[in-house]
Amino acid sequence: EVQLVESGGGLVKPGGSLRLSCAASGFTFSNYYMNWVRQAPGKGLEWVSSISSSSSNIYYADSVKGRFTISRDNAKKSLYLQMNSLRAEDTAVYYCARSIVAPGVGDYWGQGTLVTVSS
Amino acid sequence: EIVLTQSPGTLSLSPGERATLSCRASQSVSSNSLAWYQQKPGQAPRLLIYGASSRATGTPDRFSGSGSGTDFTLTISRLEPEDFAVYYCQQYGYSPRTFGQGTKVEIK
Repeated sequence: EVQLVESGGGLVKPGGSLRLSCAASGFTFSNYYMNWVRQAPGKGLEWVSSISSSSSNIYYADSVKGRFTISRDNAKKSLYLQMNSLRAEDTAVYYCARSIVAPGVGDYWGQGTLVTVSS
Repeated sequence: EIVLTQSPGTLSLSPGERATLSCRASQSVSSNSLAWYQQKPGQAPRLLIYGASSRATGTPDRFSGSGSGTDFTLTISRLEPEDFAVYYCQQYGYSPRTFGQGTKVEIK
């Protein structure tokens, strides 16, 4: 069974940093593009970043470019999102999602981890 | 970036009725790279349709997708109680990937 479990969310002050993790199981992690998608409270979905299976191709939304860094460790079957210079508008549930169709399209999703940026 | 506009914002229907959801793109979506997701409260989204009309694994056949270019439709032929949820379209033909704002299908 495919499972994606996010962790690392929490309360952080504006300007602070946080590192999210996503632990994958039930599939060959190293074969798939992986993504981060976020959802602000009561709002819609926003694609954040995608990374190819070998980390050779990485994409970011303009809203996070230069502040967030996506990475992966295929040996540990883990996906990461390093978030720096956090702003109030980054407050959201962050989902990890696997892509089988195309980068950015999530066919399996984790349950999400909440990041709250507030003073 | 491509802006996706979903309509209506809310659809009030009874179980057994047909639901028709629209997604319009601000420019043509290449290769019909359009997906539909279902999201229930407190849950992660679930992929229903990709490539505008291909059902994802596990998607019941009462869900169908159609359209091309800038106009796409998700149809639920007969609403089941578990289908009341929010539905999002997403284009993945261009970067950045973008989502529509969602259509809520609620029980009338």
